[in-house]
Amino acid sequence: KAGVTQTPRYLIKTRGQQVTLSCSPISGHRSVSWYQQTPGQGLQFLFEYFSETQRNKGNFPGRFSGRQFSNSRSEMNVSTLELGDSALYLCASSGNVDRVVETQYFGPGTRLLVL
Amino acid sequence: KNQVEQSPQSLIILEGKNCTLQCNYTVSPFSNLRWYKQDTGRGPVSLTIMTFSENTKSNGRYTATLDADTKQSSLHITASQLSDSASYICVVSAGGGSYIPTFGRGTSLIVHP
Repeated sequence: KAGVTQTPRYLIKTRGQQVTLSCSPISGHRSVSWYQQTPGQGLQFLFEYFSETQRNKGNFPGRFSGRQFSNSRSEMNVSTLELGDSALYLCASSGNVDRVVETQYFGPGTRLLVL
Repeated sequence: KNQVEQSPQSLIILEGKNCTLQCNYTVSPFSNLRWYKQDTGRGPVSLTIMTFSENTKSNGRYTATLDADTKQSSLHITASQLSDSASYICVVSAGGGSYIPTFGRGTSLIVHP
């Protein structure tokens, strides 16, 4: 079974631009979560999607948004990029049989550098 | 405010030795506690998941414990290997229907030959 894939793997943007990152979950998984990882803040939860609906949202500004398609693939978008948005963006999927004990499988991440 | 604190921040041990990593949390209500291993440049990999009623969970040489009364968890690594060199992250998810996770800053483990 293929793992979680994220594209692109690396991205360089300039301040003020917008960016779209893509995540393809493991086949059959319906839940996709997004995380931001920086040296200063560590890992932080962005949002979670399940069956095309945002189910949970972390404490990030509205510049960060996402969506999920009917095939469970998900995208996240960051508008008006700031230098502080430079980070590793991780996506994780789970089968959502039992949210309490469900294992999340992470992708390799997209490393975004904002200049 | 929900918080997860991990200690030590970094640890260096010799191959073959055991070690224990600590995690204290203030997340309430509690849903579950997870330990992840993250190799440099890669996504985290799940090691253990524990709910309120569980106090021990093993995964090979990794054993996690949970004391829900004191809100503490530990991850014990037995007979360390060079491949154990990584960051170990403790994550606590809130209950009450939100399941929003709070991450610790991780413990960086280096295993020397």
